[in-house]
Parts: sequence; C-alpha cells; structure tokens
Amino acid sequence: GESVGLHLPTLSVQEGDNSIINCAYSNSASDYFIWYKQESGKGPQFIIDIRSNMDKRQGQRVTVLLNKTVKHLSLQIAATQPGDSAVYFCAENPTNFGNEKLTFGTGTRLTIIP
Amino acid sequence: DTGVSQDPRHKITKRGQNVTFRCDPISEHNRLYWYRQTLGQGPEFLTYFQNEAQLEKSRLLSDRFSAERPKGSFSTLEIQRTEQGDSAMYLCASSYFNSGYTFGSGTRLTVV
Repeated sequence: GESVGLHLPTLSVQEGDNSIINCAYSNSASDYFIWYKQESGKGPQFIIDIRSNMDKRQGQRVTVLLNKTVKHLSLQIAATQPGDSAVYFCAENPTNFGNEKLTFGTGTRLTIIP
Repeated sequence: DTGVSQDPRHKITKRGQNVTFRCDPISEHNRLYWYRQTLGQGPEFLTYFQNEAQLEKSRLLSDRFSAERPKGSFSTLEIQRTEQGDSAMYLCASSYFNSGYTFGSGTRLTVV
C-alpha cells in the first residue's frame, strides 16, 4: 500500500509571534543556500537565499542565518501570519558554478495558531 | 507569462503503462530542471537542461525514465512501464543561468 511517511518535524507558533526554523546541511563545499515554502498541492516557492560569503541576510519579515562552522542554517519569520502555515525546506547547492541542482532537506511543517 | 506550467496536474495510471508529463518554463529561462517529491520528503533532483542539452542526470533516473527538451523551450518527462514506486509529485523548475529557480505546481502521479 501507499506509505504515509508524514513524519516531518513540526513547529506550532501563535499568530504574531516570531518563528525560527532550523536546518543542518551536509556538504561543506556548498556555497549557496535557499529557503523554500511549500503549501499543500503547490510547488516550492522561493523565500530567501544566502551565499557562503555572508552569515546573515534579511528580507521582508524573514531573516536567514548561516553558520558555516557547524553547517547550520536558520530561517526566522517575524510577526507570523496564518498564511505562513506551510512546509519549509532548506536547500543547498553543492557546486561552485551556480544552481545546476539543489539538495533539499526533509522540511519542517510550520503551523500558525490564530 | 504566468510562471512555470505543468500538465497534467494529476495522473492516475495502471502499473505497466507509460506516462508523459509536460513542462512549460518561463519563456526567457534557459535552464529547466525536473525533480521528484514523495510524501513527506523534500524534492530530489532528477535531471536538468540548459537550452536543449541535457547536462546532468541523477542516478534516480532509471532507464525507464527519459526527458527531452527538443527546442530548448518546453520539456517532457516520460516514464515507461510504470511501477508503484514511481508514485510521486514530479516538479519542474526553470531559471536563467544562476538566477533563482521558479517551480511549477507539479504533476502528481499515482500508479495503481
């Protein structure tokens, strides 16, 4: 039969609070990292990216932090809204020549509680 | 241009049948990618094209899978002799060289 396999890490946050989603990446040679948001039935949607020569980048309500020492990436979402409820994936580009292919993490399901 | 389009959105097929999916990228994008996503997992890279040239294929792409991009615009992904393990969401994305990917909404394949 069909496997269920829905054992994503989950995070529930009260509307209006800040959320932090973490990701550990595997390849120390990766030089480009992206966070994607995926809503049910849709493809991944770009949120924010960061290159390895930076340790922080900010967008609108989102901030990505990169710690190359421990190969850790985090996504901070400020003042969360119901529309932020989705699965969030980090992705890494394990080459030095741009985004020919990405390696995605498992994902975290974020639920915003009204 | 409304983004990356994939057709069909859903496909149910019997085991052993062949299926073909289509992807229309953003018109000025020269790179096109195929990924597969199973329930609860992140997308996994299958293959990518730069213009009409297929430049990389994953080991996930068995010989039952073939992808084409004949004129450097739309692409097709064909799966021959489908198996239940092929059930997944097949995602297409496009980019212009090193710009960020734009994903389509995917084709969900169910093999019964």
